[in-house]
Amino acid sequence: DTAVSQTPKYLVTQMGNDKSIKCEQNLGHDTMYWYKQDSKKFLKIMFSYNNKELIINETVPNRFSPKSPDKAHLNLHINSLELGDSAVYFCASSQSSREAEAFFGQGTRLTVV
Amino acid sequence: GQQLNQSPQSMFIQEGEDVSMNCTSSSIFNTWLWYKQDPGEGPVLLIALYKAGELTSNGRLTAQFGITRKDSFLNISASIPSDVGIYFCAVSGGGADGLTFGKGTHLIIQP
Repeated sequence: DTAVSQTPKYLVTQMGNDKSIKCEQNLGHDTMYWYKQDSKKFLKIMFSYNNKELIINETVPNRFSPKSPDKAHLNLHINSLELGDSAVYFCASSQSSREAEAFFGQGTRLTVV
Repeated sequence: GQQLNQSPQSMFIQEGEDVSMNCTSSSIFNTWLWYKQDPGEGPVLLIALYKAGELTSNGRLTAQFGITRKDSFLNISASIPSDVGIYFCAVSGGGADGLTFGKGTHLIIQP
């Protein structure tokens, strides 16, 4: 009964590969997000989706593309992975009426070798 | 982009001590939040502040939203071992545009 679940928890892959991270929330929220946390623990917003519409894209390379098949899912696809993409990626969700109160998944540690 | 200045960067304290950390911004924000991240986990919301001047408690935690809407502090009283982790301040610009986080305060408790 995890509120926000993302898979896989760990992902090790070679440069140049394409990979996806899945995220699902069972909270009935209408907005979902992807955040990136670097090696210094700095958290930065990447995308948010509200009612299947992309709201923001914070200077993220277009190799990254979010895909939302429905309100409960927001998957992250990454093409042509680079070493600098290594980080922990967090999915989160919130309800637009209290959008600041976000619930986060456990994170996916991506290592590009 | 927006920047939050969070301090201190890390704290080494003894169990039972009180802790204080703060966050400032050059811009005004209408919502300030404090999150905690345990190792290997995602951030968890501790306190959300919606009114300038508001003082809110959650157990041993107390947070205040600065009257200028440009700062906030978080206090933890009588620290215990499970308080160890990274504490982040965050602001919301309103709308579904996500949160801007401070760089975090690493809290380490020495027995």
